[in-house]
Amino acid sequence: QKEVEQDPGPLSVPEGAIVSLNCTYSNSAFQYFMWYRQYSRKGPELLMYTYSSGNKEDGRFTAQVDKSSKYISLFIRDSQPSDSATYLCAMGGSNYKLTFGKGTLLTVNP
Amino acid sequence: GAGVSQSPRYKVTKRGQDVALRCDPISGHVSLYWYRQALGQGPEFLTYFNYEAQQDKSGLPNDRFSAERPEGSISTLTIQRTEQRDSAMYRCASSLERTSGRAIGELFFGEGSRLTVL
Repeated sequence: QKEVEQDPGPLSVPEGAIVSLNCTYSNSAFQYFMWYRQYSRKGPELLMYTYSSGNKEDGRFTAQVDKSSKYISLFIRDSQPSDSATYLCAMGGSNYKLTFGKGTLLTVNP
Repeated sequence: GAGVSQSPRYKVTKRGQDVALRCDPISGHVSLYWYRQALGQGPEFLTYFNYEAQQDKSGLPNDRFSAERPEGSISTLTIQRTEQRDSAMYRCASSLERTSGRAIGELFFGEGSRLTVL
């Protein structure tokens, strides 16, 4: 079993839809959780950063972490065509590295 | 520069040749990481520097891979005697903060160096 599991999709939604992306993990040592967005032929860029369980909201984006279930989610409200990208979850613990999921390819259709 | 700069952007080499990939992090960033990203996969950790000190190289696949950051700024990832399985996108990332056991700062990724080994 991989440390981080993420459904690669692809996921295709109409503009304005609510998008739900998620990852599960197996390593109890993970303490902080991130979502990165990666546009085609670009490097990943940080979208959301959360520490421990709970919710964090930033504009149209909400990140949720449930450490008891080892499950994290990213919700995108009122999705826009410009949200079309690959979304990567990433997790870190007490060492120097982030462990990434495979990424979910999202397409928002106008 | 404004972001993390990597060169070359594309490198095609023959099996058995050595390659050197360069990373110029954001000015003032203390932490520097190398990751490798295969097609359709997330980035995979290779190594981490705090200033010039290589503090974690546990992700380097084997002893053909090495990295240095001699003056705490520019870093070079070297792959000796390349093999076809080394073909991938190699990404450098830098962070303003020093990574500790408590937190990793925001990573800023470069656009990567795509290596193809024939």
